[in-house]
Amino acid sequence: GQNIDQPTEMTATEGAIVQINCTYQTSGFNGLFWYQQHAGEAPTFLSYNVLDGLEEKGRFSSFLSRSKGYSYLLLKELQMKDSASYLCAAVDSNYQLIWGAGTKLIIKP
Amino acid sequence: DAGVTQSPTHLIKTRGQQVTLRCSPKSGHDTVSWYQQALGQGPQFIFQYYEEEERQRGNFPDRFSGHQFPNYSSELNVNALLLGDSALYLCASSLGGAGDRVAYNEQFFGPGTRLTVL
Repeated sequence: GQNIDQPTEMTATEGAIVQINCTYQTSGFNGLFWYQQHAGEAPTFLSYNVLDGLEEKGRFSSFLSRSKGYSYLLLKELQMKDSASYLCAAVDSNYQLIWGAGTKLIIKP
Repeated sequence: DAGVTQSPTHLIKTRGQQVTLRCSPKSGHDTVSWYQQALGQGPQFIFQYYEEEERQRGNFPDRFSGHQFPNYSSELNVNALLLGDSALYLCASSLGGAGDRVAYNEQFFGPGTRLTVL
């Protein structure tokens, strides 16, 4: 079966760095998305990785290892507004998005 | 430039009823995908429409059907509602094209319709 695993909840301190991990098992693989979703709001796009390596975009970076079925989202200089759920979604061989349940990130002052 | 819009925002129905949810894609987008998101879960892909045809479908029963209009707006219909259909229904638009897939095109999500089935 197809499966996406990510931690349910994480807590971090304002100004710190946090890494949210995601492991995936899909039938075929055509890339991985990270989305941010604030409570009661729609998901917003953060990143898309299809090649191995790290992609940096401001305070957010995303890493992919296709051989390990693993990705992480790195958030630096955390701000209170970063409190949200972070959703990992892998694209399978049918080009369908397989979503994780999301990681709820709590930022403390 | 208007983003993705959905209506209604909230909806309460009873078991056995039928519901229609509507979505207008972001200007310039021609592909609409529908997702169901239960509380505390990630979105589950229902189906995707491109050029007025269903192009991809997730693991949802035939009670879930849709339509895309010439102006690229879309409707999601759910018949014979069950309690388990209570969820946030998200519409996402993207720029598709012949042979394109969801994978390569960033999807922009609407605010969602919160459906409660009593």
